[in-house]
Amino acid sequence: DGGITQSPKYLFRKEGQNVTLSCEQNLNHDAMYWYRQDPGQGLRLIYYSQIVNDFQKGDIAEGYSVSREKKESFPLTVTSAQKNPTAFYLCASSTNLNSPLHFGNGTRLTVT
Amino acid sequence: AQSVTQLDSQVPVFEEAPVELRCNYSSSVSVYLFWYVQYPNQGLQLLLKYLSGSTLVKGINGFEAEFNKSQTSFHLRKPSVHISDTAEYFCAVSDGDSSYKLIFGSGTRLLVRP
Repeated sequence: DGGITQSPKYLFRKEGQNVTLSCEQNLNHDAMYWYRQDPGQGLRLIYYSQIVNDFQKGDIAEGYSVSREKKESFPLTVTSAQKNPTAFYLCASSTNLNSPLHFGNGTRLTVT
Repeated sequence: AQSVTQLDSQVPVFEEAPVELRCNYSSSVSVYLFWYVQYPNQGLQLLLKYLSGSTLVKGINGFEAEFNKSQTSFHLRKPSVHISDTAEYFCAVSDGDSSYKLIFGSGTRLLVRP
């Protein structure tokens, strides 16, 4: 079955360390996205990519970086510059302008 | 800039009762509208979407929503809820010329009691 795979499901890191969250899709979607979710808040867009080798900052890109070297993969690095990295991170993809987003099951990152 | 308001953070309801989850957005220009459901520790699943055409949209699990352009609303309804409908519900909107950027509301937790 096609879908989006995020790994790992839970991730623990010490403050000051960079950490990379994986997102892979086999839906043949052109666009991919990273959202951050905090308790009691909606999803906030971190980065998005419309095609391979291209990506744009979302609303809260500071302290994060991404790459899009392959259509199937859109990893997110949470750097030590991100002041409040503990959150639930969701990856999504879509095929075109009129299609809704398909979401992965998320990665819960805890930084202590 | 577009914004989405979900007025109720939590809606408790008894099983088999009807429910309405409210959603308002800020701009009346051409928009696409979505409702997503999230179960604990999972990603979001699309319930329904409005792109154009009929203002009454039917989705999965017996949910429906009505697009009201004059009131800039897209309320979600279900005539009879089940325990399994307990989840977080998110309304989202995108500008009509670029649905790559969805703006999400803060979510409404639907709590169905027996």
